[in-house]
Parts: sequence; structure tokens; C-alpha cells
Amino acid sequence: AQTVTQSQPEMSVQEAETVTLSCTYDTSENNYYLFWYKQPPSRQMILVIRQEAYKQQNATENRFSVNFQKAAKSFSLKISDSQLGDTAMYFCAFSNNDMRFGAGTRLTVKP
Amino acid sequence: ETGVTQTPRHLVMGMTNKKSLKCEQHLGHNAMYWYKQSAKKPLELMFVYNFKEQTENNSVPSRFSPECPNSSHLFLHLHTLQPEDSALYLCASSQVGGKISGELFFGEGSRLTVL
Repeated sequence: AQTVTQSQPEMSVQEAETVTLSCTYDTSENNYYLFWYKQPPSRQMILVIRQEAYKQQNATENRFSVNFQKAAKSFSLKISDSQLGDTAMYFCAFSNNDMRFGAGTRLTVKP
Repeated sequence: ETGVTQTPRHLVMGMTNKKSLKCEQHLGHNAMYWYKQSAKKPLELMFVYNFKEQTENNSVPSRFSPECPNSSHLFLHLHTLQPEDSALYLCASSQVGGKISGELFFGEGSRLTVL
């Protein structure tokens, strides 16, 4: 079974600085997708960024980018120029059929 | 109106009660999911419905009973729950289940407390 591990339960960052959230996963599959989802306090979980395993180029979405290391089964999320609205739980997820999630990292952006 | 709506948002029930959680999606999707979110644990996939057919039951106890009358509605019937079942229950939908690239769209969740 696939597992997703987020080793940082909580992190904080100063506004305007950069922070990196870690994620590792375990699978024997070669074709899959990886995701980062954001869950703001008392609000819906939304997709932040998606990476296709067969693409070597790291995905980017504005201030959000990933460092995908397929051999190491690592998929970290970098948030640049952090904003107060980035405060949320961040979940890493793996999918090759149904989606499996990590335990999440609670990120606090401090003014 | 949000894409995926869950009711009630909060529910408190005793161990002998029977209650139901409801989920409705307005996105035209064909797959719907129930996840359980407990503090400091990975989201647990409970049930998957694809075109109204249950395609996955992730070893969920029988005190949780899902129902999917059509592609837009999903229920989770609750009966004789335990205090450890207290959690946030998330409903999600996607265009088609079993598609590895499919983005999930989530509701805001139903916060369940079992006394």
C-alpha cells in the first residue's frame, strides 16, 4: 500500500520569507501523480499544485513550487514571499487510483 | 454556491443515536468520496463511489453505512458510534473515480462529536 509521510507537524515563517514543507512517499508504481492541498482554518481543502511523475520538470504555480525527486520519493513544497493568507494545514497526497494523504503540516505565517 | 456542500457542519450525538451526514456536489462529477480527518493522522479514505457504484470500502466498520442515490448526492449513515469516531468527515468529488490525475474537490466537512 502506498504511504505518504509528512515529517513536520508544525512550521512557522515570517511574512515575505520562504518556507519549504517536506513530503516523502512509498510506492512500487511508476505512473502516479503527487499533489499539495491547502486547508485554511474552517475552510475547504483546495488544490495548490500537482506534479506528474513522468515529468522531470518541477511544477510551479506563482509563489508555489515543488522539488520532485522521483528516485528519492520526495516531493517538497516551497512557498516564496509568504503571505498571511498562506496560514493553513498543508497536505501532501499521492494518487495512482484513489488519493492517499499525509498527516499534514500546520503552517503559520507570522506578521 | 460552493461546488461541494456538506450538512450538517457540526453534529453531536450519543453512542446509541442514529444520524446521517449529507453531501451534495454541483460540479457534474461522477465520483464521490468520504474521508475521515483526525488530528495528527493522515486523512483516511473510507468509501468511494464511481457512477453511483461503490468501488471501495476501506475496511470501514459497519456502524458507518454509505448511500449514493445518484452521482450528485452522498450520505453517510451513522449508528452506534464510538467516541473514537469523533472526527471531521470530509466529502469530496472528482470527474471520474479511479483516474490517477483527478483533482478532488472537497466540502467544508462535518465535525462529528460522539459522547
